[in-house]
Amino acid sequence: ETGVTQSPTHLIKTRGQQVTLRCSSQSGHNTVSWYQQALGQGPQFIFQYYREEENGRGNFPPRFSGLQFPNYSSELNVNALELDDSALYLCASSKKLATDTYNEQFFGPGTRLTVL
Amino acid sequence: AQTVTQSQPEMSVQEAETVTLSCTYDTSESDYYLFWYKQPPSRQMILVIRQEAYKQQNATENRFSVNFQKAAKSFSLKISDSQLGDAAMYFCAYNRDDKIIFGKGTRLHILP
Repeated sequence: ETGVTQSPTHLIKTRGQQVTLRCSSQSGHNTVSWYQQALGQGPQFIFQYYREEENGRGNFPPRFSGLQFPNYSSELNVNALELDDSALYLCASSKKLATDTYNEQFFGPGTRLTVL
Repeated sequence: AQTVTQSQPEMSVQEAETVTLSCTYDTSESDYYLFWYKQPPSRQMILVIRQEAYKQQNATENRFSVNFQKAAKSFSLKISDSQLGDAAMYFCAYNRDDKIIFGKGTRLHILP
């Protein structure tokens, strides 16, 4: 069983640019959640995708957007990058049933984004 | 809004000894889940232990156990027989409706 994978591992961008981060969910999972972890902080929930639809969003501006594909992999897009966007971006996948309020989330190793 | 507070930024424990990491949280919900996650230098977030709020019995996973005090909104993690591989950042977290809210973490050092 393949775990959650993320690409790229590291990325360096300049302020104002756009970036796309990718996440492949664990086999059998239908939900992907994205988190931003600034240096020395705990992860913060960005949004979640369930069956290709956004299913909840944290306190992040609209320049943070996402997609989920039919194979349940996902992308996180960030436009107009700011210095404060420098962080570790984690994705987590889970197998969600419509009636569930909790499903164990399995995390990927993260993408380290540096904005100069 | 739900919040999670970890008041110990760093802790150290001698190998084979016992250490307790503290966590408090705030919520108005009655049904939720609490977790402790471990994040080693590899960055991979690993679930250590889970507690369901409606269960009064404290969760235990091998050397890891929790002290869940629902009325006090306290959720501490006890690590017994500490091992060098336990060195990591530990995050207390709250989950409702499948969204996880993390504390700021406690860095645990294991002294040989």
